[in-house]
Amino acid sequence: GQQVMQIPQYQHVQEGEDFTTYCNSSTTLSNIQWYKQRPGGHPVFLIQLVKSGEVKKQKRLTFQFGEAKKNSSLHITATQTTDVGTYFCAGDWLMEYGNKLVFGAGTILRVKS
Amino acid sequence: DSGVTQTPKHLITATGQRVTLRCSPRSGDLSVYWYQQSLDQGLQFLIQYYNGEERAKGNILERFSAQQFPDLHSELNLSSLELGDSALYFCASSVEVRGTAFFGQGTRLTVV
Repeated sequence: GQQVMQIPQYQHVQEGEDFTTYCNSSTTLSNIQWYKQRPGGHPVFLIQLVKSGEVKKQKRLTFQFGEAKKNSSLHITATQTTDVGTYFCAGDWLMEYGNKLVFGAGTILRVKS
Repeated sequence: DSGVTQTPKHLITATGQRVTLRCSPRSGDLSVYWYQQSLDQGLQFLIQYYNGEERAKGNILERFSAQQFPDLHSELNLSSLELGDSALYFCASSVEVRGTAFFGQGTRLTVV
């Protein structure tokens, strides 16, 4: 079945350092979405990437979608303590009558101040 | 507040029992997803409904079933519960069959 591999599983950075998480699918995605889950909270949508090679920015966050639409990355510049949480990518494959949003395992980000 | 409501927030039950988790999607959303989140498994897709019909299925156990009612709320039924079923169960909704998923606060199920 469809799977999305996400690495690293866990990253602990000093405040001000950069952070990157990567997602990889073995099959071509229709689109990829990114979510953030704060400790004790629920996943919250960040962004959706649809086009091959697409790059989108949200302040210190940069999202990329690979040319083959099989991989994606989220890069945070100069992390802050407010960035703490788990970042999930979610692969979207169009099924015959629905869609199947499959999440990666997530990357847990801890930021030391 | 995402607009997706899940009840109950917490549930403690014994092995072998059956429980029902309820989800009310955001106003206007026709699609509902169910996910299971346990510590070592991440977010696992269970099933998707759209306007009352099942549309996509993940690795949902046969002991689990779901449905979406005419008023668009959804229920996830878990039966013959086992200790390993203890997890956070999230419901999410989206406007169409595809698109951004908005998550509820989750139901924390503890099987003892």
